[in-house]
Order: sequence, then structure tokens, then C-alpha cells
Amino acid sequence: GDSVTQMEGPVTLSEEACLTINCTYTATGYPSLFWYVQYPGEGLQLLLKATKADDKGSNKGFEATYRKETTSFHLEKGSVQVSDSAVYFCALRGSARQLTFGSGTQLTVLP
Amino acid sequence: DSGVTQTPKHLITATGQRVTLRCSPRSGDLSVYWYQQSLDQGLQFLIQYYNGEERAKGNILERFSAQQFPDLHSELNLSSLELGDSALYFCASSVDRGGAASPDTQYFGPGTRLTVL
Repeated sequence: GDSVTQMEGPVTLSEEACLTINCTYTATGYPSLFWYVQYPGEGLQLLLKATKADDKGSNKGFEATYRKETTSFHLEKGSVQVSDSAVYFCALRGSARQLTFGSGTQLTVLP
Repeated sequence: DSGVTQTPKHLITATGQRVTLRCSPRSGDLSVYWYQQSLDQGLQFLIQYYNGEERAKGNILERFSAQQFPDLHSELNLSSLELGDSALYFCASSVDRGGAASPDTQYFGPGTRLTVL
């Protein structure tokens, strides 16, 4: 079945540092890929998505590129802020419509 | 604000009891999904309804059931509750008008935190 493997956390960075959170997936066919973010005490918010190979999703300075050859969708940001502290979930949507999530990565950004 | 609403925000109950969680999807969205987030299992898909009909089932226990009403709101019923049912329950909605699997985004509500004592 479909699965998502996500970089284990927690990750602690200083403000303005570079961020990469690794995500790889296993799925049949051509899934759509997503990053969701969960701020403390809140629900999941869509951060970005990509629906086909080589697509790049971007939002709020975050980027991720759909790499079919490596089955990866790594999340990157060049300069993180304290306000980026949250839990980040990689997810895929395959032939079934429901989302399959990774385990989540807790990010803490220190001032 | 995603446009998806869930009530109640918090629910505390005892083992063996039954509770109902409610979700109102975004205006125009036909599909409702239920997910459970727990420390040991992570985020897991429970069940999907599309325009009133059950569309897909995931790791949903037999003690749990759901339905979607003509106005498209949905309810998740949890019965014979156990300590291990304590979790955050999310509802998500999407348009899902495509015939094949489409990349429609799922928008999540704020969740209901269930605590079983």
C-alpha cells in the first residue's frame, strides 16, 4: 500500500538557518504530494502541493519539488523564522482519495 | 480559517460511553474525511463520505461509525469508548468533483480533542 517516510525529529534551528525536511514515498501510479503544517493547538493547514513529476510547490518561502526518480518531496526553506516553529507533515494522495501521512517532524526555531 | 468547522473542541468522557463529533465542510465541498491523530499511531484515515454516501474506509474500528447528512455535514459516532480512543479527531473536506482520483486539496478543521478517562 501507500506509505510516506519522513525525517525524524525534533529539529532545532537558529533563526535564519536553512531548513530541509526529507520525505520519501511509496505509491502505485502517480500520487499527488502535499506538505501540511500544524501549529501548536491548531489543525492542519496546507502549506504546499505538487500534482505531477518535476512540479515545484511553494508558499511562504517554503519549497518542495516532486522527484519521481527518487520518489521524494523534500521540504526546504532558505531562512527560517521563529514563527515557522510547528509540526510538518508530508502526505500523499494516491489512487484512493484519502491522504496517507508521514509521522511528522517537529521544528523549533530559536531566536 | 479553513472554512471547515468541528464541534465540540474538547470532549472528556468515561470508558464505555458514546460520543458524537460533528463536522461542517466548506461551502460547496461534497466530500468529508475523518482522521484520527494519536501519539502512537500518528495521523490515520478513518472514513470518507461523498455526497451522503460512504466512499472509502480506512482503519476504522467497528465501534465507530459515521454518516453524512443531506446538508453535507457529517457526524462521527464513537461507542464503547476505551482509554486508547483518546486522540485528536480531524475532519477534512474537499470538492472531489473529478471522476478519477483528482488532486483536490483537503482542508482540515481545527479538530476535536477526545479524552477518555
